[in-house]
Amino acid sequence: DIQMTQSPSTLSASVGDRVTITCRASQSISSWLAWYQLKPGKAPKLLIYKASSLIYGVPSRFSGSGSGTEFTLTINSLQPDDFATYYCQHYNSYPYTFGQGTKLEIK
Amino acid sequence: EVQLVESGGALVQPGGSLRLSCVGSGFTFKNYAMSWVRQAPGKGLEWVSTISGRGDSTYNADSVKGRFTVSRDNSRNTVYLQMNSLRADDMAVYYCAKGGAVDTPMMNWGQGTLVTVSS
Repeated sequence: DIQMTQSPSTLSASVGDRVTITCRASQSISSWLAWYQLKPGKAPKLLIYKASSLIYGVPSRFSGSGSGTEFTLTINSLQPDDFATYYCQHYNSYPYTFGQGTKLEIK
Repeated sequence: EVQLVESGGALVQPGGSLRLSCVGSGFTFKNYAMSWVRQAPGKGLEWVSTISGRGDSTYNADSVKGRFTVSRDNSRNTVYLQMNSLRADDMAVYYCAKGGAVDTPMMNWGQGTLVTVSS
């Protein structure tokens, strides 16, 4: 099975900051990586697919990069609505696995 | 607008059974694989099962193999998760998601339904 290692587990930042979350796969997954945003009591939301493709309607301050085994999610100029938990997930082959999650907190 | 509405979550005793349902709307249901993902209290997301659009292929996490069965009724735009031999570590919010075929992310998600396993 492919393991996904996500870091950091918690990130404290302020409105207007730029933050980066990293996700590492235990073997190459090409670009078959997605990033999701979770907020309590709400449906999870797909932000980025195929490592760097932004879902329509997601603000352009979100961006993804990487291929193979190393991936990043970057959020530029953090907004209050961005404080949430973020997960990476590979969909290269079954079983799918998620990273451990990164909780983005207000500093 | 894509909508996914899960139902069926409840309190069940260890060893018991439960069937979750998820009704999809706003898209051509039969054209998409459907998936179940869960989140245990205080834990991260865990992929559980995926079923192909026609229902002829299913995939399950090792943690649920032999106990959980995913199925669908395209005439009702509904996907099911039959859960048997439930254990304490199955307790979680269960999300239904559109997508999850290989090379396809989980594009839209429901708000989830809570399964509590306790005596």
